[in-house]
Amino acid sequence: EAGVAQSPRYKIIEKRQSVAFWCNPISGHATLYWYQQILGQGPKLLIQFQNNGVVDDSQLPKDRFSAERLKGVDSTLKIQPAKLEDSAVYLCASIGPGSSYNEQFFGPGTRLTVL
Amino acid sequence: KNQVEQSPQSLIILEGKNCTLQCNYTVSPFSNLRWYKQDTGRGPVSLTIMTFSENTKSNGRYTATLDADTKQSSLHITASQLSDSASYICVVSGAAGNKLTFGGGTRVLVKP
Repeated sequence: EAGVAQSPRYKIIEKRQSVAFWCNPISGHATLYWYQQILGQGPKLLIQFQNNGVVDDSQLPKDRFSAERLKGVDSTLKIQPAKLEDSAVYLCASIGPGSSYNEQFFGPGTRLTVL
Repeated sequence: KNQVEQSPQSLIILEGKNCTLQCNYTVSPFSNLRWYKQDTGRGPVSLTIMTFSENTKSNGRYTATLDADTKQSSLHITASQLSDSASYICVVSGAAGNKLTFGGGTRVLVKP
């Protein structure tokens, strides 16, 4: 089966600009996560969706970050305006019926550099 | 507060040698513990998973152990290969099953 797809793979922007990332989870996976991974650290959960509803966005900086999953399939994460400290890899993951013990399947990530 | 601490932060080993990575956690209640391998520029991929009743699990040259009493886990890599160069992340799942606490990872570099 196809894995979790993310685009773009790399993005370089200047601070105060806007950026959007796209994720398409594994087909049939109802649960979708966005993580922020700063270099040398483990992933930090930003938001969790169940179908098109938000389950947990407690760690999402809502003044500048937003995410949506309108049709319960693919998802978009937006940063507006970006700050230098947003430089990180943004990972998307999904869980579905075939996940044993709720194994999350990760995409390759989008590496964001804010100058 | 749920936390997962990994050590060392990084290590360099020679090809063919063994190494052991450590993971200590304070997540409670506990559901399961996974070790993920993350190659540079890629997302994490699950290596092993252990539940409360399991104390060892192997996946090829990777062997994970779990001591649920002391809340410690280790990942042992046997006869390391250049392709083992990656970050290894310990992830603990709470009782709800799908809320994860990630460790900071151990970066392993295997040199020829």
